[in-house]
Amino acid sequence: QLQLQESGPGLVKPSETLSLTCTVSGGSISSNSNYWGWIRQPPGKGLEWIGSIYYSGSTYYNPSLKSRVTISVDTSKNQFSLKLSSVTAADTAVYYCASPSVAAIDQFDYWGQGTLVTVSS
Amino acid sequence: QSALTQPPSASGSPGQSVTISCTGTSSDVGAYNYVSWYQQHPGKAPKLMIYEVSKRPSGVPHRFSGSKSGNTASLTVSGLQAEDEADYYCSSYAGSNNFVVFGGGTKLTVL
Repeated sequence: QLQLQESGPGLVKPSETLSLTCTVSGGSISSNSNYWGWIRQPPGKGLEWIGSIYYSGSTYYNPSLKSRVTISVDTSKNQFSLKLSSVTAADTAVYYCASPSVAAIDQFDYWGQGTLVTVSS
Repeated sequence: QSALTQPPSASGSPGQSVTISCTGTSSDVGAYNYVSWYQQHPGKAPKLMIYEVSKRPSGVPHRFSGSKSGNTASLTVSGLQAEDEADYYCSSYAGSNNFVVFGGGTKLTVL
């Protein structure tokens, strides 16, 4: 059973870069033909797909965030990461890492517990 | 504004059935049979309930079913139970430009 766990600062200053890491356990991040994704949820609001990375390294981003997002994978640590630059208060949200059980970019079977990131000075 | 449109709320009494709609366009819901539904209880991560329009992951009760007609997908919960009270989100594959889009969510209340 795959398990995902987000980690990173809970507070980021406006205009700085938000950085989060997702640690995968119960399976190898590089052994499956799989996507690894980031999804966020502002307080009291709905879900927004941020982007995904294929195990081979190919990346796919939400067009509305593409200019500010970088997703990367570190196979040696079985982790993948999210960087979101030039953050504003609108980026305050619970950030989830998630992945499917099959090679489907749009399906998320496994989720981390989520981590709240607040953008404030 | 979310890419997919869901009603903000839905409700039903225990034992009844309720259907939640998810309306997209011919570029997402209407174009692909890749609609998923997620259940989210307060303070918890979403849980996949339906994938590929109508398939249930292992462990999801048969009371949950999905369907699609044109640009609108639907989630039906039959035999409502108290534990079904939650927020429900639909999502769809949206092609090689937008990839994944979500609905705004529907709060299901069991009366």
